[in-house]
Parts: sequence; structure tokens; C-alpha cells
Amino acid sequence: GAGVSQSPSNKVTEKGKDVELRCDPISGHTALYWYRQSLGQGLEFLIYFQGNSAPDKSGLPSDRFSAERTGGSVSTLTIQRTQQEDSAVYLCASSSMGGTNEKLFFGSGTQLSVL
Amino acid sequence: ILNVEQSPQSLHVQEGDSTNFTCSFPSSNFYALHWYRWETAKSPEALFVMTLNGDEKKKGRISATLNTKEGYSYLYIKGSQPEDSATYLCAFGGDDKIIFGKGTRLHILP
Repeated sequence: GAGVSQSPSNKVTEKGKDVELRCDPISGHTALYWYRQSLGQGLEFLIYFQGNSAPDKSGLPSDRFSAERTGGSVSTLTIQRTQQEDSAVYLCASSSMGGTNEKLFFGSGTQLSVL
Repeated sequence: ILNVEQSPQSLHVQEGDSTNFTCSFPSSNFYALHWYRWETAKSPEALFVMTLNGDEKKKGRISATLNTKEGYSYLYIKGSQPEDSATYLCAFGGDDKIIFGKGTRLHILP
């Protein structure tokens, strides 16, 4: 695709429900990053993928969070049993080869609201 | 824990004035320093990626410098315009991931 695509753009859910957020990176980009921005906070690193593998999952806030990437392309971030503190903008970004010296291309984000 | 600090947190600048803000980062395991502009209701967009000590980059009225030995970078905006209003994020590229600071929110006053 022309850019990084995220869906849904907005998600309102009830506490305790599971949600799935999707990211479709730029075609051919091997690296994919997930970040989130909670109200008043900076961009918090969650996880990154090089191809289909995630070398560093240390940023995931709890075991309710998981992510996968298939076919070196689309990634899904799943949050189980959502809590109010999960409310945030979830941003996905991709880069061409995955080196940390490459610029990131960001999607428009998913605004998650947990009631 | 990697710490990327940006200051100030927020800044109000009169249109036409020049301004600058700071990013400090770890000086070990350094691969790159990124600057992004994030306008309201849009996605963050890359301004610069710098890798070498002493690097200076320029894009129109915006420029950036890098000091990897002491772990800081400055972003300069010359002759601020209303369209410069945004949050400016810096990010540290280490050996395996990219970590962002909290950003500097820039408001340009007419």
C-alpha cells in the first residue's frame, strides 16, 4: 500500500472485553513497531517485529497484551480483558530494512477507549 | 531503562521568532537520533535521522545538530510560522529498538 494503514481508527469497548488492532505496513517493509500514547504521556514502545519474529517483547505492559505478524506483512495487537488504563492511541510504524537508523513511517493510529 | 528526555515540554513562540529545543539521550549503544513532527489529527512524520557525531541536517527553516559524545541534539526553527505548530518528538535508535521522548509541544502565536 501507499502508506501504513491501521484499523479500526476508533474503538470503544467495555472493560473486560478483548480487542484486536490491525496494522498493514508499507509493502516490502520488513520492520514493524507498535507504540502507544496514553493521555499526557509520550510514545511508549510496546513491541517490534523483524519479519515475523519479535526479538523484543519487553515493552508489552502485561500478559494481557500479545502481538503477531504473519507473512512478513500485517500485524495484529490483541489486548485481552481490557482495563481502563489500556485507553490510549495505539500507533504502528514500519521501516524498510529494520535498522534503528532508518526513519519510521507511521499509521494514523487507533484510538482505544475502554469504558 | 533507556531514558530520552526532551525540553521544554511546551513552548509558545511569536510568529516570526526563531526557537530551539533539546533532546538528551544515552551516549552508549547509539545508532541514530531521529526527529519527528506530529501535527494534531495527523501521523508523526520524520524530519531527520542523524547517525554521526557532529551531524547537522537542514530542511527548509528547520535544522538539527547532534552530539553523540555528550548525548544531546538540538532542533532549531528559524522564523516560526503558524504551520510549525506541532509536537516535536526525538527518538533514540539503539542496537535493537527506537525509543521516543515525550515531545516538545510548540505553539506559534500570531
